[in-house]
Amino acid sequence: QQPVQSPQAVILREGEDAVINCSSSKALYSVHWYRQKHGEAPVFLMILLKGGEQKGHEKISASFNEKKQQSSLYLTASQLSYSGTYFCGTDHQGAQKLVFGQGTRLTINP
Amino acid sequence: DVKVTQSSRYLVKRTGEKVFLECVQDMDHENMFWYRQDPGLGLRLIYFSYDVKMKEKGDIPEGYSVSREKKERFSLILESASTNQTSMYLCASSVLAGRQNSYEQYFGPGTRLTVT
Repeated sequence: QQPVQSPQAVILREGEDAVINCSSSKALYSVHWYRQKHGEAPVFLMILLKGGEQKGHEKISASFNEKKQQSSLYLTASQLSYSGTYFCGTDHQGAQKLVFGQGTRLTINP
Repeated sequence: DVKVTQSSRYLVKRTGEKVFLECVQDMDHENMFWYRQDPGLGLRLIYFSYDVKMKEKGDIPEGYSVSREKKERFSLILESASTNQTSMYLCASSVLAGRQNSYEQYFGPGTRLTVT
């Protein structure tokens, strides 16, 4: 079953912060975050592994609550280049098969 | 620079035709994936392969098959295309977990298939 992302869409002004949530009904091994700009391929942002290991970008961070089966992506001081659709992908077995959420469309205006 | 390429950006086929979508990666990755992307549904896994000649069904394999004869190439086959298979198809690859800590997936540019 697909994880549920919220919100479905968000519009911000440049410099504002954003939080995107990803919630699963099944136990999680890891959560991946990707960003897709219009007309382009999804690009990897971050992976959060069971046990707390985290990788990612500057100004973009994430949390992973194993008990609640949730992850949140935090974009700080958003830039115009952050616009796009964000997907979380959940891995439930460590088998590297991801189940992606429906996406969150983020629009950053000047 | 890592690269995943797909044979066509746009493809128009008729109902009932056999359709081949090709994907090639140059990163010596073990894993390869086929997804379809539809508005409001995100990316849904059709099939994936973790080695040559090995394949596993994803979440929506019905109406599709795959072939992986060489490590770098993964083909998606629509045996008899139908209008409900009109979609964006994305190929991806990744290293086998354990070789590196990160097994991020690298995506190709996608093929927009229209079945009329």
